[in-house]
Amino acid sequence: EVQLVESGGGLVQPGGSLRLSCAVSGLSVRDNYMSWVRQAPGKGLVWVSVIYSGGSTYYADSVKGRFTISRDNSKNTLYLQMSSLRAEDTAVYYCARVDYSRLHTFDYWGQGTLVTVSS
Amino acid sequence: DIQMTQSPSSLSASVGDRVTITCRAGQSISKYLNWYQQKPGEAPKLLIYAASSLQSGVPSRFSGSGSGTEFTLTIGSLQPEDFAAYYCQQSYTTPYTFGQGTKLEIK
Repeated sequence: EVQLVESGGGLVQPGGSLRLSCAVSGLSVRDNYMSWVRQAPGKGLVWVSVIYSGGSTYYADSVKGRFTISRDNSKNTLYLQMSSLRAEDTAVYYCARVDYSRLHTFDYWGQGTLVTVSS
Repeated sequence: DIQMTQSPSSLSASVGDRVTITCRAGQSISKYLNWYQQKPGEAPKLLIYAASSLQSGVPSRFSGSGSGTEFTLTIGSLQPEDFAAYYCQQSYTTPYTFGQGTKLEIK
């Protein structure tokens, strides 16, 4: 059974930093495309970042230069390092597996972790 | 960036109704179109991938169609558990943009 479990969310002041983790079981983060998606309270889904199996990374313009996606193959864990946080980064952050064999479908999702940026 | 436009943004319907949600892409995305269902407090759930393929375990009353720039999600006969938000998403290229969502409510 595939499971994705996010952690690391919480309250942080504007300008601060936070690192989110996504512990994965049932599949290898090294061999898969993995992504982060966020959802502000009461709003829709917004794609944030992806890391491909080869290591290439891509970001939404709104987070480029502030967020970094990475993975630890030995821990089978995906990360999102967030810095220079702004109020508009407040959201539930989901990690998801991107199935490249099915036209980049986001088929497995974690339960999400809430990040609140406020003073 | 490829803009995804869903319509309607909200929809009221009754159990047993047939409903259709439309998604338009700002440029051709072939069949790189996915549909997700999200209930309050839950993670999104994949329903349809590659425009028209039903995800394993999803009831057959859900169907998808389209290619290029025009896509539809149809629910054949609404059940009480189908009242939720629905999102389309293009996975043709980054950024993997989502539609703004359609909230399906009980009439």
